[in-house]
Amino acid sequence: DIQMTQSPSSLSASVGHRVAISCRASQTISNYLNWYQQKPGKAPKLLIYTASSLQSGVPSRFSGSGSGTDFTLTITNLQPEDFATYYCQQSYSSPFTFGQGTKLDIK
Amino acid sequence: EVQLVESGGGLVQPGGSPRLSCVASGFSFSTYWMSWVRQAPGKGLEWVANIKQDGSEEYYVDSVKGRFTISRDNAKNSLFLQMSSLRAEDTAVYYCARVGAYYDMDVWGPGTTVTVSS
Repeated sequence: DIQMTQSPSSLSASVGHRVAISCRASQTISNYLNWYQQKPGKAPKLLIYTASSLQSGVPSRFSGSGSGTDFTLTITNLQPEDFATYYCQQSYSSPFTFGQGTKLDIK
Repeated sequence: EVQLVESGGGLVQPGGSPRLSCVASGFSFSTYWMSWVRQAPGKGLEWVANIKQDGSEEYYVDSVKGRFTISRDNAKNSLFLQMSSLRAEDTAVYYCARVGAYYDMDVWGPGTTVTVSS
């Protein structure tokens, strides 16, 4: 099975600032990497698919990069509604594993 | 509006066999792979199972193989998860999700909670 490791597990940032969340796969997954946002008590929401493609309706302050084993989700100009937990997920091969999550909260 | 709505959760005794359902609306259900994903209390997301458009292929995480069965009824725009031999560690919110072209999950239901306890 492909293991997905996110870092950091948590981080604090201020409104208007920029943050980056890393995701590393235990083996190459090409660009089959997706990013989700989840708020407490809510279902996850797809933000980025195939490493860098922005899902329809998602603000352009979210961006993704990477290929192979190393990927990054970047959020610029943080907004109050962006404070949530973020998960990466590989869709290269079954089982379609998720990272452990990164909790982003307000500093 | 594209929508998924799960049902069938609740309090179940260890060893129980509930069946979860997910009704889809607002899109052509029969043309999409579908998934179940779960989240234990206070934990991260875990992909559980996928099923192909016509039901001819199914994939499962190892921890549920032989105990859970994913199925679908395209005539009723419905996805199912038959669960059996439930254990405490199966306690979770179970989400139904639509699978996109790159096996991303682009539409999610609100989830249904299964609690395994005596």
